[in-house]
Amino acid sequence: EDQVTQSPEALRLQEGESSSLNCSYTVSGLRGLFWYRQDPGKGPEFLFTLYSAGEEKEKERLKATLTKKESFLHITAPKPEDSATYLCAVQAWDGNKLVFGAGTILRVKS
Amino acid sequence: EAGVAQSPRYKIIEKRQSVAFWCNPISGHATLYWYQQILGQGPKLLIQFQNNGVVDDSQLPKDRFSAERLKGVDSTLKIQPAKLEDSAVYLCASSLRDISSPLHFGNGTRLTVT
Repeated sequence: EDQVTQSPEALRLQEGESSSLNCSYTVSGLRGLFWYRQDPGKGPEFLFTLYSAGEEKEKERLKATLTKKESFLHITAPKPEDSATYLCAVQAWDGNKLVFGAGTILRVKS
Repeated sequence: EAGVAQSPRYKIIEKRQSVAFWCNPISGHATLYWYQQILGQGPKLLIQFQNNGVVDDSQLPKDRFSAERLKGVDSTLKIQPAKLEDSAVYLCASSLRDISSPLHFGNGTRLTVT
């Protein structure tokens, strides 16, 4: 069974304090790994798709990387508006659905 | 581009009552999804439609949940009868093609069963 584990559950940062979120996965064969951002009271918003180990994607202060067993979401010099829950999801080659992790709640204080 | 529309935003019902949620996906999106998100957890797929057909409903509790997609566009999700453990946010999403396309989510319906 496909599984996604995200850590830490919650992370508090000061504005400008860079850090990383982790997404570990177990899947029969990875077709794609997805990162989403979810603000309170809103639906998840798509950030990145990664397909193969070694791939990297960047958007503003966020950079996502992928290995054969995990993905990292690096946040460089975060701002308060980066506060949100970050969700990771995987799609297997033999499946047609996304399996989501529980998310990491990020709070950035000014 | 208009986003995924869902209604109602909030619903409070008593256990054993019935409830229905409505979703209007982004125009032109072939695939529509209903997810259940319990507080503190990630979204869990309930049912996936591609155009008019059901692609995956393996995690839909079919004894109480039902869903339909009308003319390949709008969709409704119904719960009858509701249980306390159905309290959650019900998210609708759509994608241009299949699951490999990015999902666009609505803001969900928060259901409280008392």
